[in-house]
Amino acid sequence: QKEVEQDPGPLSVPEGAIVSLNCTYSNSAFQYFMWYRQYSRKGPELLMYTYSSGNKEDGRFTAQVDKSSKYISLFIRDSQPSDSATYLCAGSISSGSARQLTFGSGTQLTVLP
Amino acid sequence: DTAVSQTPKYLVTQMGNDKSIKCEQNLGHDTMYWYKQDSKKFLKIMFSYNNKELIINETVPNRFSPKSPDKAHLNLHINSLELGDSAVYFCASSQRWELFFGEGSRLTVL
Repeated sequence: QKEVEQDPGPLSVPEGAIVSLNCTYSNSAFQYFMWYRQYSRKGPELLMYTYSSGNKEDGRFTAQVDKSSKYISLFIRDSQPSDSATYLCAGSISSGSARQLTFGSGTQLTVLP
Repeated sequence: DTAVSQTPKYLVTQMGNDKSIKCEQNLGHDTMYWYKQDSKKFLKIMFSYNNKELIINETVPNRFSPKSPDKAHLNLHINSLELGDSAVYFCASSQRWELFFGEGSRLTVL
């Protein structure tokens, strides 16, 4: 069993839809959670970063962590075609280093105009 | 100015050959990485160097040998390539918890 599991999709939604992307994880020691976005033929880039349980909002994006159920979510409001990408969730036991990041396998999202 | 740059972007080669990928970062970061991303987009760490010193060496065949001549450069040499080595290899750097990735080197072994 992988430490971070993610539904690979693909997920297709119409422009303007609310998108929900989800991950589950098994390592109880994870304290820090990230979402990376990867456009086609590009490297991943950090989108959101959260600590422990709770919500964090940044524009149209909201990251949510529920440590009791080991569930990580990313919500995208008013989705745009430019949001079409693969979204990778990741967990870490340490904030001080990226060395211990464990990634999920990514969900491919397409937002149709 | 590209923060993390890696070359070449594409490699197509025959089984049994040897190939190298080079990576350079101009962010002044202390730590650099090699990641492998398979066809299902699963991103797995292979190696990590901190100030030219190897600090992470995941379960990777000995055919893969990283080299860091200085903290801004991290190269990856692969000997005796196998079909299963086909993947996208990403170089990355970090100062703390955020990873900065290059655009990837897509390796196809025929």
